[in-house]
Amino acid sequence: GQNIDQPTEMTATEGAIVQINCTYQTSGFNGLFWYQQHAGEAPTFLSYNVLDGLEEKGRFSSFLSRSKGYSYLLLKELQMKDSASYLCAVMDSNYQLIWGAGTKLIIKP
Amino acid sequence: GAVVSQHPSRVICKSGTSVKIECRSLDFQATTMFWYRQFPKQSLMLMATSNEGSKATYEQGVEKDKFLINHASLTLSTLTVTSAHPEDSSFYICSARKGDKDTEAFFGQGTRLTVV
Repeated sequence: GQNIDQPTEMTATEGAIVQINCTYQTSGFNGLFWYQQHAGEAPTFLSYNVLDGLEEKGRFSSFLSRSKGYSYLLLKELQMKDSASYLCAVMDSNYQLIWGAGTKLIIKP
Repeated sequence: GAVVSQHPSRVICKSGTSVKIECRSLDFQATTMFWYRQFPKQSLMLMATSNEGSKATYEQGVEKDKFLINHASLTLSTLTVTSAHPEDSSFYICSARKGDKDTEAFFGQGTRLTVV
């Protein structure tokens, strides 16, 4: 079956760095997405990785290793507004998105 | 960027009534739209995939007669929750893709449905 695993909840301190991991097992692979979702709102796109390596975009970076079925989202210089859920999603061979359960990130002052 | 507009953002209805939620792609043609349901503290659950001009494909466990999906044009898909019950109260979100293999999904703002 298809499976996306990510931690349920993480806590970090304002100004620090946090890494949210995602492992996946899917039928085929056409890319991995990270979305941010604030409570009561729709997800917003953060990153897309289809090749191995690190993609940096401002304070956020996303890494992919296809051979390991592994990705992480790295958030630097954490701000209180980064408190949200972070969803990992993989696009399978049918171009369907398979969603992880999301990681709730709590930022403390 | 691509904009998807979902309406209404919040709706409260009485048990037994029907509610229609609209999802519009404002600046692109969406061949495929997706409808998700999200319960509190849970991830997105795909309910159905709709392709313009054809019947929607429903996920296992989703009642097609209860959740009516219409994708009559390349810019509009609607989800109608028929004979709503309190257990249908949830956050409903649509997303749209420009093409069958287009990678990024663009999300609507979501609709908070409360059935009383």
